[in-house]
Amino acid sequence: SQQGEEDPQALSIQEGENATMNCSYKTSINNLQWYRQNSGRGLVHLILIRSNEREKHSGRLRVTLDTSKKSSSLLITASRAADTASYFCVPVSIWGGGNKLTFGTGTQLKVEL
Amino acid sequence: DAGVTQSPTHLIKTRGQQVTLRCSPKSGHDTVSWYQQALGQGPQFIFQYYEEEERQRGNFPDRFSGHQFPNYSSELNVNALLLGDSALYLCASSLGSWGDGETQYFGPGTRLLVL
Repeated sequence: SQQGEEDPQALSIQEGENATMNCSYKTSINNLQWYRQNSGRGLVHLILIRSNEREKHSGRLRVTLDTSKKSSSLLITASRAADTASYFCVPVSIWGGGNKLTFGTGTQLKVEL
Repeated sequence: DAGVTQSPTHLIKTRGQQVTLRCSPKSGHDTVSWYQQALGQGPQFIFQYYEEEERQRGNFPDRFSGHQFPNYSSELNVNALLLGDSALYLCASSLGSWGDGETQYFGPGTRLLVL
């Protein structure tokens, strides 16, 4: 299975601003998932976008997927201090053993008051 | 509806000892995966259990072993602990069709410190 490469590695913004994180991967996928981890605790699933979808929304989150460029982005609008966390993208291919998630090092987002 | 639970939350062991970590999956889930997360890194897949069998394994030595019980709960055992085994151990559960790549739900983790 493959891991996603998140960019940037670290991002610092002011509360109320938007945060954009990017993800690239190498081979074809069935879906791509975004997870959040607050301060070394358990991961929380944010959103799953399937390979035949181009955009998906969930509350203040907007995820895009471009399979031709093998890339995805996560946009958090009107960020809050509670959004401070590490964000991981996980490209999933069933041919790689679909239930095995492979994580990169993530994007560390800091939202300052 | 209880989510994924793990015990204990923290653990301190010394080199050479053995440790057992426990996980109860989310209600209705039958598949349990274990991950190891070192400081500053993303989680690394250890193995996955489905129908009480190890279905898939990551690049971890045989010192790492597991078990799944008929109620779908799971244990992770690590023998002959090394300093490098110090990490956050995460359990994740899912509903287990093989390779469907659906969402996994993570527990809060067990933080293991090996001295």
